[in-house]
Amino acid sequence: EVQLVESGGGLVQPGGSLRLSCVGSGFTFSSYWMSWVRQAPGKGLEWVANIKDDGSDKNYLDSVKGRFTISRDNAKNSLYLQMNSLRAEDTAVYYCARRGDYWAFWGQGTLVTVSS
Amino acid sequence: EIVLTQSPGTLSLSPGERATLSCRASQTVNNRYLAWYVQKPGQAPRLLIYGASSRATGIPDRFSGSGSGTDFTLTISRLEPEDFALFYCQQYGSSPRSFGQGTKLEI
Repeated sequence: EVQLVESGGGLVQPGGSLRLSCVGSGFTFSSYWMSWVRQAPGKGLEWVANIKDDGSDKNYLDSVKGRFTISRDNAKNSLYLQMNSLRAEDTAVYYCARRGDYWAFWGQGTLVTVSS
Repeated sequence: EIVLTQSPGTLSLSPGERATLSCRASQTVNNRYLAWYVQKPGQAPRLLIYGASSRATGIPDRFSGSGSGTDFTLTISRLEPEDFALFYCQQYGSSPRSFGQGTKLEI
């Protein structure tokens, strides 16, 4: 059974940093592009970033370029999102999802709240 | 960036009825690379359709997708009580991937 489990969310002040993690199991993690998708409270879905199976290609939403960094450690079946210079508008549930284009498998999400 | 506009914003129907949800793109979606998801409160989205018309694993055949170019449709042939939820379309033909704003299907 495919499972994705996120962690690392929490309350952070504007301008602060946070690192999200996602551990995958039940599939060959190193064979898949992976993505982060977020959802602000009461709002719709927004793709944030994706990364190629070997980590050699990365893509970002314009509004997070230069602030967020997606990475992975295939030996640990893990996906990461380093978030710096956080803004109030980054407040959302962050989901990791398998594949880089459309997503059949999602984690349960981790809530990031940016507030003073 | 491709902007997806879903209509209607809210659709009020009854169990047993047919639902037709629309997703219109601001530019052609390459290769019919369009997906549909359903989301219930407190849950992650669930993939229904990919490639505009291919049902995801385990999705009942009352769900069907159609369309090409800039106009796409999700049809639910006979609504079941569990179908009342929020539906999103998403394009993956170009970057950045983008979602529609959602259609709420309510009883």
